[in-house]
Amino acid sequence: KQEVTQIPAALSVPEGENLVLNCSFTDSAIYNLQWFRQDPGKGLTSLLLIQSSQREQTSGRLNASLDKSSGRSTLYIAASQPGDSATYLCAVPQSGANSKLTFGKGITLSVRP
Amino acid sequence: KAGVTQTPRYLIKTRGQQVTLSCSPISGHRSVSWYQQTPGQGLQFLFEYFSETQRNKGNFPGRFSGRQFSNSRSEMNVSTLELGDSALYLCASSFGAGNTDTQYFGPGTRLTVL
Repeated sequence: KQEVTQIPAALSVPEGENLVLNCSFTDSAIYNLQWFRQDPGKGLTSLLLIQSSQREQTSGRLNASLDKSSGRSTLYIAASQPGDSATYLCAVPQSGANSKLTFGKGITLSVRP
Repeated sequence: KAGVTQTPRYLIKTRGQQVTLSCSPISGHRSVSWYQQTPGQGLQFLFEYFSETQRNKGNFPGRFSGRQFSNSRSEMNVSTLELGDSALYLCASSFGAGNTDTQYFGPGTRLTVL
């Protein structure tokens, strides 16, 4: 059974800092890994999807990497801003032809002005 | 392109009642999945529909059911509500039925059971 872990549960950094959010998964036979952002009380916004054949994906100040062999992914946020404050979740799909995602519990990021 | 929409956004019910939530996927998407999010359990998969067929079901009691219509819109129903059903219910849509597509989530329906 796939398990996804995100540690720490919360993180507070000063504005302008570069930071890395970690995600680990137990079953390395994944097709892809997706990072989401969730603002309080809101739905999930897809940030990046990395296919299993890729090692990195970039979007603006965000860069996500994937190392299947070690069961890890990282989300790098450059030059953090107060507007980046949110909960960041990673998720992997279940094997087989279906769309079920297994999520981590998320990392709540607070960027202090 | 319009995103995933969910109605209603907020709902207050009492124990024992039933509720129906609706999800309209992104135009052209045929797969719809439902998730329950609570502070203690995080995001948990409820079920997935593709072309009106339930393809996968999570570990929830039979009080939770769903369906998908020919236009890909989906509904989920919870009967005999319990206090523990209070949660944010999210639906997600994707283009295909496989596990390689990006999933796009709606804003959620916040259900409060009193």
